[in-house]
Amino acid sequence: GIQVEQSPPDLILQEGANSTLRCNFSDSVNNLQWFHQNPWGQLINLFYIPSGTKQNGRLSATTVATERYSLLYISSSQTTDSGVYFCAVRRDTGGFKTIFGAGTRLFVKA
Amino acid sequence: GAVVSQHPSRVICKSGTSVKIECRSLDFQATTMFWYRQFPKKSLMLMATSNEGSKATYEQGVEKDKFLINHASLTLSTLTVTSAHPEDSSFYICSARGRREYTDTQYFGPGTRLTVL
Repeated sequence: GIQVEQSPPDLILQEGANSTLRCNFSDSVNNLQWFHQNPWGQLINLFYIPSGTKQNGRLSATTVATERYSLLYISSSQTTDSGVYFCAVRRDTGGFKTIFGAGTRLFVKA
Repeated sequence: GAVVSQHPSRVICKSGTSVKIECRSLDFQATTMFWYRQFPKKSLMLMATSNEGSKATYEQGVEKDKFLINHASLTLSTLTVTSAHPEDSSFYICSARGRREYTDTQYFGPGTRLTVL
């Protein structure tokens, strides 16, 4: 099946710093989403981005589908950005299964 | 945005009992619902996919007789953990996919933390 790799696995930032999270996937996909899981376990949908670039406030994401990777940019990080960021991909062949990467665990220090 | 609710948010039960978890899409019709399991500090593992009115499709290694899934309507799916054991303790998350928006996004519930004593 499709493999999803995220890097780095762990990241510690000082408040105000910028960061880039990466998601590589092993095959073509029909859907790619970035999620933030807060400390209470709630998954927040950040971006639906099978290709192209999107921005939402301090966050932006770019997916280069032909090269099978996506990047999530966090600018001017805040302590509330702490949590786990997951990349999840889906192929529409084989039952619309969404496969999650292992996640990047982010801690932003005040 | 679309809202998916889960009930209960937390449950503690004795070994051998059955526990039912509900997943509801509150403002859209979910053509497909998914159930995930997450162990501490791990990623989400897909357990099963269910379409309204049909039997769920289970992932390899998931016992369908232990994890009963019912998707009776376009807004409700239930997961029943039968004869629960301590190793079933986990965080269970449902998600719903609908064609409410062109983006065809999956929306996730807040999760249910199950502890089996």
